[in-house]
Amino acid sequence: DSGVTQTPKHLITATGQRVTLRCSPRSGDLSVYWYQQSLDQGLQFLIQYYNGEERAKGNILERFSAQQFPDLHSELNLSSLELGDSALYFCASSVSSGSIISGELFFGEGSRLTVL
Amino acid sequence: QKEVEQDPGPLSVPEGAIVSLNCTYSNSAFQYFMWYRQYSRKGPELLMYTYSSGNKEDGRFTAQVDKSSKYISLFIRDSQPSDSATYLCAMSGNQGAQKLVFGQGTRLTINP
Repeated sequence: DSGVTQTPKHLITATGQRVTLRCSPRSGDLSVYWYQQSLDQGLQFLIQYYNGEERAKGNILERFSAQQFPDLHSELNLSSLELGDSALYFCASSVSSGSIISGELFFGEGSRLTVL
Repeated sequence: QKEVEQDPGPLSVPEGAIVSLNCTYSNSAFQYFMWYRQYSRKGPELLMYTYSSGNKEDGRFTAQVDKSSKYISLFIRDSQPSDSATYLCAMSGNQGAQKLVFGQGTRLTINP
């Protein structure tokens, strides 16, 4: 168990809808990362928050947004969903913001989104 | 062309075999090289971490980095059925974990 909690584990919805994925990082970890994993694209970095502030952006669509709350949990909002958004969405946390040496990434078990 | 290329497999070998997993990359700025292991229906977990070129050994696992060839490898000796998983290489430059780029992952099955 990595200590990172993600809900829901599975989600099935229709095109055009909006969903919210939730992540609770490991106790003490200030940094939260969101990744998308699909069969054809692999694991793609979406966005990172550190202590409530956006720190880095990756290949995140404009239809997607995220935030980190004062209690450090994070939410990823996906709107106007398309079939191609079906994927596993992972949250990861680490202690520090950018250092690999002091902070490996700890991944949750993912939220599987299916858009029909 | 992707920054990191990894053969997705699947790769199937008998128990006890030596397994070699590889990635190539194009970005010469990469300095940190990692291997993550992902079991079915689980998130990836860090297996090995190497900075710059060289070898690193941890039990049955050896990670090698050849920056001149832009090529990294993970060797698993005396492979066990419990090693069956997807192995993802990941790498980053000075920005550290913020800009980790993952390979597509190689699905490995060790047959008893």
